[in-house]
Amino acid sequence: DTAVSQTPKYLVTQMGNDKSIKCEQNLGHDTMYWYKQDSKKFLKIMFSYNNKELIINETVPNRFSPKSPDKAHLNLHINSLELGDSAVYFCASSPRLGGLFLFGPGTRLTVT
Amino acid sequence: AQSVSQHNHHVILSEAASLELGCNYSYGGTVNLFWYVQYPGQHLQLLLKYFSGDPLVKGIKGFEAEFIKSKFSFNLRKPSVQWSDTAEYFCAFSGTAGANNLFFGTGTRLTVIP
Repeated sequence: DTAVSQTPKYLVTQMGNDKSIKCEQNLGHDTMYWYKQDSKKFLKIMFSYNNKELIINETVPNRFSPKSPDKAHLNLHINSLELGDSAVYFCASSPRLGGLFLFGPGTRLTVT
Repeated sequence: AQSVSQHNHHVILSEAASLELGCNYSYGGTVNLFWYVQYPGQHLQLLLKYFSGDPLVKGIKGFEAEFIKSKFSFNLRKPSVQWSDTAEYFCAFSGTAGANNLFFGTGTRLTVIP
């Protein structure tokens, strides 16, 4: 009964590669998010999608692109990976804008 | 500016000690308030939340938090900690009017010594 799931859990790749992280929620929530947790544990929002529309886009490089094929999925695609992209990426969803946020298990990305 | 301040970066307690973690937020409207916990190597789990009503909210595992509107605070408390409470604790808020973001504090690492 996983509410918010992410794959893969771990991702190790080399600089310059392109990679994707997938997220799915089975809660029927309207809004999904991507957060980045850096090495100091600080959590910062990257994107959110509400009804398949991007509604906020923080100052992240355009190498990062969210893609939402439907309301239950929000994937994160990263082009030309850099060392500084190494972090844990969390997907989250909420039933409405600003409602209760539930988080996925995270994807630990390591760029070498 | 919208922000969350968690005053303690790292707290070390012995088992059975009482816990209080400070959290203050800065926002120009009404808020929903949250405490999340992240156990080592795990994802974020919701401890408790405040949306409206009684400002003293109770969460899982014996945690509670009190919303004091005049102080813009939402401190987390537990009367007697256990070794298993060792984790990172994050205070967060979202605005209630058309909000589309959850703002996090920098987190407080709690270490409980058996």
